[in-house]
Amino acid sequence: GESVGLHLPTLSVQEGDNSIINCAYSNSASDYFIWYKQESGKGPQFIIDIRSNMDKRQGQRVTVLLNKTVKHLSLQIAATQPGDSAVYFCAELLGNTPLVFGKGTRLSVIA
Amino acid sequence: SQTIHQWPATLVQPVGSPLSLECTVEGTSNPNLYWYRQAAGRGLQLLFYSVGIGQISSEVPQNLSASRPQDRQFILSSKKLLLSDSGFYLCAWSIVASGTEAFFGQGTRLTVV
Repeated sequence: GESVGLHLPTLSVQEGDNSIINCAYSNSASDYFIWYKQESGKGPQFIIDIRSNMDKRQGQRVTVLLNKTVKHLSLQIAATQPGDSAVYFCAELLGNTPLVFGKGTRLSVIA
Repeated sequence: SQTIHQWPATLVQPVGSPLSLECTVEGTSNPNLYWYRQAAGRGLQLLFYSVGIGQISSEVPQNLSASRPQDRQFILSSKKLLLSDSGFYLCAWSIVASGTEAFFGQGTRLTVV
């Protein structure tokens, strides 16, 4: 089954605005989390990751926040661009076990 | 650098026909290998994973099987396809270590008719 869930299946944002995509995970023992971006007809691509001993990690235009107290993960995209339109998945991992993915959020950027 | 190859990109097969999807990884040794399936509008469901040659773990009992005849080769098969086998199949690999991301192939769109 899918133990990682997302709050919103779709998200529409204006170009230039910031996007926030949320994810709830179920296994409090998970120690590694990843956000993937999947464009139509392609395989998921790694965006950013965070380990359970951190609560925030920043990349280029993206930030991942981890709240272990409520088992919540979020992806923030600054200055959203049309090329950011895709489906975003969060995934959790415990040790060397396979990644468990959520259903995904479709991000649509309105020009 | 490591690369993953998955083929074919698209496939249309009749119900009851066999299936063989192949995935190979280059540039690394002894990877963990995975097969995921993605139904329309859904997340990625883990079907099989392998930590070594001949070692296959099945996550979901169904009409599919997997084999790993070589270190960097992972094959997804079926003897008789069902309509419900239609979907987007993704192969992935990761290094054998805790807390590492998986790298995905470009996927195979399978339509069973």
